[in-house]
Amino acid sequence: LAKTTQPISMDSYEGQEVNITCSHNNIATNDYITWYQQFPSQGPRFIIQGYKTKVTNEVASLFIPADRKSSTLSLPRVSLSDTAVYYCLVGDETGAGSYQLTFGKGTKLSVIP
Amino acid sequence: GAVVSQHPSRVICKSGTSVKIECRSLDFQATTMFWYRQFPKQSLMLMATSNEGSKATYEQGVEKDKFLINHASLTLSTLTVTSAHPEDSSFYICSARERTGGDEKLFFGSGTQLSVL
Repeated sequence: LAKTTQPISMDSYEGQEVNITCSHNNIATNDYITWYQQFPSQGPRFIIQGYKTKVTNEVASLFIPADRKSSTLSLPRVSLSDTAVYYCLVGDETGAGSYQLTFGKGTKLSVIP
Repeated sequence: GAVVSQHPSRVICKSGTSVKIECRSLDFQATTMFWYRQFPKQSLMLMATSNEGSKATYEQGVEKDKFLINHASLTLSTLTVTSAHPEDSSFYICSARERTGGDEKLFFGSGTQLSVL
């Protein structure tokens, strides 16, 4: 199974841009990279997904270098409500043909006033 | 994005009883759903993969007779915790896979906090 490595925690002041980098050295050719946000006692919420280069939506940007062995989630001008755990996941096609996503430990982002 | 509804959001039960948790994809059909459990301050741990019309695939260490999964339709999967015990107390989360074009996304329910007394 593809594994991901992220920083355990990060702190940021309100209004700053936050970049969270994830390593996925064993990413497969067909795998997409997906980021989720989770608040306490809630299910993860989809943030952004990409395959290569750069993807941007209304809440974040995702930067993926050419070798795809890492990716960086960029959150512009964070606010207190962005305090959450962020998970980087890489799609995994198992030998039996099923598809699942394996959660790593995630990055706990704390936004400070 | 797509919506996955999970019910109930919280349940408290006595030891030895069974608890059923429902997971519904509201605006898309999901041939595959996943069930996770999460302990406080830990990551999500995949319990099983639920496939519509067939038996669920359980991860190593997860008792299939303890955690019964039924995926009878393209929009509904249920997880039944049978004869629950205090060690089964946890946060259970379901997800459903949506395929659009060439990519896939997982959308998650809001979770169920199970407390077994």
